[in-house]
Amino acid sequence: DSGVTQTPKHLITATGQRVTLRCSPRSGDLSVYWYQQSLDQGLQFLIQYYNGEERAKGNILERFSAQQFPDLHSELNLSSLELGDSALYFCASAKGSGILEQYFGPGTRLTVT
Amino acid sequence: EDQVTQSPEALRLQEGESSSLNCSYTVSGLRGLFWYRQDPGKGPEFLFTLYSAGEEKEKERLKATLTKKESFLHITAPKPEDSATYLCAASLLSGGSYIPTFGRGTSLIVHP
Repeated sequence: DSGVTQTPKHLITATGQRVTLRCSPRSGDLSVYWYQQSLDQGLQFLIQYYNGEERAKGNILERFSAQQFPDLHSELNLSSLELGDSALYFCASAKGSGILEQYFGPGTRLTVT
Repeated sequence: EDQVTQSPEALRLQEGESSSLNCSYTVSGLRGLFWYRQDPGKGPEFLFTLYSAGEEKEKERLKATLTKKESFLHITAPKPEDSATYLCAASLLSGGSYIPTFGRGTSLIVHP
């Protein structure tokens, strides 16, 4: 158990819908990273927040957005969903910024039908 | 172009048959090379951080090494429970920020 929690574990929704994924980092960690993992793309970095502020952005679509709240939990919002958005979404936490010694949550499996 | 490449894509070993996984990187200004283990359907699990050429880290049957161009994950006398996908990662500078970049991974299967 990494100490990072993610909800929900599974999500099935239809094209065009909007969903919110939630992540709680390990106690004491200030950074939250979001990743998308699909079979053909591998593990892709989406976005990072550090102590409430956006710190780095990867290949995140404009339909996707995220935020980190004062209690340090984070949410990833995915809207206008397409079939190709079906994937595993992981969040990871770390003590600082720019650090890849990260601790990953169990992931949310999103299926868009 | 900065990137992280792993080989082989897949590796099958017999229990006790030692081998090495490769991670090559082309990064200007490496800020650490990281190894993770991922079991199917689960989040990656952090294994090692290497910061400078010549550095080595060990954990049970795994040893990670780093040169100026690549890193190796050596697996000595593997057991079936070592079967997993092994990912390496580096921070790549992009647009003024350091972006975590993962290789595609090596899928290791150890047969009893």
